[in-house]
Amino acid sequence: YVLTQPPSVSVAPGQTASITCAGDDIGGYSVHWYQQKPGQAPVVVVYDDYERPSGIPERFSGSNSGNTATLTITGVDAGDEADYYCQVWDRTSDHQGYVFGGGTKVTVL
Amino acid sequence: DVQLVESGGGLVKPGGSLRLSCAASGFTFSSFTMNWVRQAPGKGLEWVSSISASSINLYYADSVKGRFTISRDNAKNSLLLQMNSLRAEDTAVYYCARVLGYCSPTACSPLASWGLGTLVAVSS
Repeated sequence: YVLTQPPSVSVAPGQTASITCAGDDIGGYSVHWYQQKPGQAPVVVVYDDYERPSGIPERFSGSNSGNTATLTITGVDAGDEADYYCQVWDRTSDHQGYVFGGGTKVTVL
Repeated sequence: DVQLVESGGGLVKPGGSLRLSCAASGFTFSSFTMNWVRQAPGKGLEWVSSISASSINLYYADSVKGRFTISRDNAKNSLLLQMNSLRAEDTAVYYCARVLGYCSPTACSPLASWGLGTLVAVSS
């Protein structure tokens, strides 16, 4: 199973960043999103399509339908500059396991 | 607090072996599926392997199947990764990670807790 993300997204402070994750019928999967800053381990920002872990601001939201899942960050600030990865669990019998998208670098202009 | 501490990384020649360990604390280790995830220098995240709480279900990425073996010792709160026949493309930081909650053959919750990682470098 392959997840495709845009390599980069640029956004001005205060604006909205949308990061897409494309996969065949991804709407039938639970999608998780991670934020990773340089030199740090990844952190879950959205899980099960739209749920937010405690401590993650409401500015982070997720949606998932058809062949595209989306992570949306509203009111972007410099602290949101990071790499973002989508992830699903591939339930195919021969390839069970996690699959990550290639990652999207978010740059705050 | 959940703590995961990896160890065992280092420099190894192609074809060599290495054994990674992850010491877990701050939670009931025997209740959670555990994972290894790696990240090559300057590259994205790549899931490597998963092991269910009771070691019944083991899963591997195609890139490591037949070369790597995941195991755990619930009595010692320890996760292991035996890596054999190492290749240059196995060079990466290897992270130990715990799922948030549920995990079944058809769906798994996200990796909510991560260690700081241990670097494995495969080079002659």
